[in-house]
Amino acid sequence: QQQVKQSPQSLIVQKGGISIINCAYENTAFDYFPWYQQFPGKGPALLIAIRPDVSEKKEGRFTISFNKSAKQFSLHIMDSQPGDSATYFCAAGIQGAQKLVFGQGTRLTINP
Amino acid sequence: DTEVTQTPKHLVMGMTNKKSLKCEQHMGHRAMYWYKQKAKKPPELMFVYSYEKLSINESVPSRFSPECPNSSLLNLHLHALQPEDSALYLCASSQGWGAGELFFGEGSRLTVL
Repeated sequence: QQQVKQSPQSLIVQKGGISIINCAYENTAFDYFPWYQQFPGKGPALLIAIRPDVSEKKEGRFTISFNKSAKQFSLHIMDSQPGDSATYFCAAGIQGAQKLVFGQGTRLTINP
Repeated sequence: DTEVTQTPKHLVMGMTNKKSLKCEQHMGHRAMYWYKQKAKKPPELMFVYSYEKLSINESVPSRFSPECPNSSLLNLHLHALQPEDSALYLCASSQGWGAGELFFGEGSRLTVL
């Protein structure tokens, strides 16, 4: 119930392509869904987040799509660049609970 | 540049040593966190302090002892660790209560020999 399942584990995309990472959850109490980006040797940094009252949120080249009925959300990176190569973690949380449940991560490589 | 500062960046210690990891934030955040991250794995929550009081302890072994001297500082005291405790230890902070944006530090890479 508390798990967030993330796929794929690794992804290779050509420069300029679209990177898509998917996450699924079971706990319908989750009401906050962030994506974190982590470069080697660095801590994770918040990339973009969504709450379940909207189905899509876009910030620059990054878009979260949210499907409440399917209990799924995904990250789309448009025009992927080599600098986007990193590990991406989806997460889910409950307002007031102070605890995020992280997916297992996706190692993204953008080939030049 | 991260606004959560962790020291030291690297630490090597023996199983009988006592050491401490330190974390500092000056964003006025009232919640601070310790996470443990193994290679190629997501961060795992260890402890949460809210308004300088321990609010969450994720059943962490007593060889890890957190301390929050004030709202800007968070320490993790280490004693009698095991080699399997080798990991990246991440400090994070957030504004107030609830699941909001976590600001992570760059971490302290711990190796236990």
